[in-house]
Amino acid sequence: SQQGEEDPQALSIQEGENATMNCSYKTSINNLQWYRQNSGRGLVHLILIRSNEREKHSGRLRVTLDTSKKSSSLLITASRAADTASYFCATARAKLVFGKGTKLTVNP
Amino acid sequence: KAGVTQTPRYLIKTRGQQVTLSCSPISGHRSVSWYQQTPGQGLQFLFEYFSETQRNKGNFPGRFSGRQFSNSRSEMNVSTLELGDSALYLCASSLAAGGVYEQYFGPGTRLTVT
Repeated sequence: SQQGEEDPQALSIQEGENATMNCSYKTSINNLQWYRQNSGRGLVHLILIRSNEREKHSGRLRVTLDTSKKSSSLLITASRAADTASYFCATARAKLVFGKGTKLTVNP
Repeated sequence: KAGVTQTPRYLIKTRGQQVTLSCSPISGHRSVSWYQQTPGQGLQFLFEYFSETQRNKGNFPGRFSGRQFSNSRSEMNVSTLELGDSALYLCASSLAAGGVYEQYFGPGTRLTVT
């Protein structure tokens, strides 16, 4: 079964707006990772946040992790049309388990 | 560094046949993981190899198998293909096993079973 569950399943916004995606999981983890996938292609790693970290930034991306609530969020600020993709969270505990993803559409 | 490469990129097979997919990891990476991606089930973990040893296995039937060579290149094999095996098969390499570090994905092999 999937470990991480992303919410929402789909998100449509205008360019320049911020996009927030959430991920919930069920068991303890070593780290949580976010990936992006453009239509039918391989995944690209975005950010890895370890279980003892609470927040991490990378360019326009901000990830938070709340281990007490077993949840994480990915914030993309000032979105661009090129950010249109599916975003997956993956939890690491002996292996990497992916959620079903959030499909983000950024309209020009 | 060159990225993860997968061959072939596209494959069409008939039910009952078998198929072998290949993955070359990033130089220096000793861990290779395989995933199956379908619209219905999403990304499902197949197995992970590290230093030629299978470290973990997902919940797939024995028709799915893999191996890793001494140069870290990996192959996965699916025997007696079924229609439901049609999927995008992704491999990913990493410095270590178990999701300790980020994974780098190849472009995938699109398998169609008719």
